[in-house]
Amino acid sequence: AQTVTQSQPEMSVQEAETVTLSCTYDTSESNYYLFWYKQPPSRQMILVIRQEAYKQQNATENRFSVNFQKAAKSFSLKISDSQLGDTAMYFCAFMKLQTYGGSQGNLIFGKGTKLSVKP
Amino acid sequence: DTGVSQDPRHKITKRGQNVTFRCDPISEHNRLYWYRQTLGQGPEFLTYFQNEAQLEKSRLLSDRFSAERPKGSFSTLEIQRTEQGDSAMYLCASSLGPGTGELFFGEGSRLTVL
Repeated sequence: AQTVTQSQPEMSVQEAETVTLSCTYDTSESNYYLFWYKQPPSRQMILVIRQEAYKQQNATENRFSVNFQKAAKSFSLKISDSQLGDTAMYFCAFMKLQTYGGSQGNLIFGKGTKLSVKP
Repeated sequence: DTGVSQDPRHKITKRGQNVTFRCDPISEHNRLYWYRQTLGQGPEFLTYFQNEAQLEKSRLLSDRFSAERPKGSFSTLEIQRTEQGDSAMYLCASSLGPGTGELFFGEGSRLTVL
């Protein structure tokens, strides 16, 4: 069974600074996706960034980037130039791929990290 | 806005009552998922549909829980004989699957069982 661990329940950062959220996972699968989702207070969860395990290059999306270490089963999220709107719960998630390709339905989430961006 | 919508947003019920939640996915999405999220935890997978077929169910989905997606469009999640432990946020998501694996979530239906 796959597990996802986020060891930082809460973090805070000053506006415009950089913060890194940690995530480790455990799996025996070789083909999978990893995700970071953001859940703002009382709002729906949205995708921040996605990484395919077969890609060595780390994914980036504007101010968001990941450090994917497949051998270490580590998948951290770096937020640069933090903004007040980044305040949210951040969830790391794992999804294995089906044998013939394409995703399965089951996203496995960590417990989340509550990020507060302070002015 | 044509995102995922869930109804009701909040439901308070007494233990032993039945409740039903509805989810309307993004119209062109063929996959629909149900997750449960309790306070301080990440969402936990319950079940998912591809079109009208229920392809996977979690062990969390006890026999008091049933989900349907009769015409491959909206879905309902029914909880019978509710228990206090059922109090949670029930999240629905949809995707154009299998695709990239990105799920689009609704705002959730919060259930409180007294």
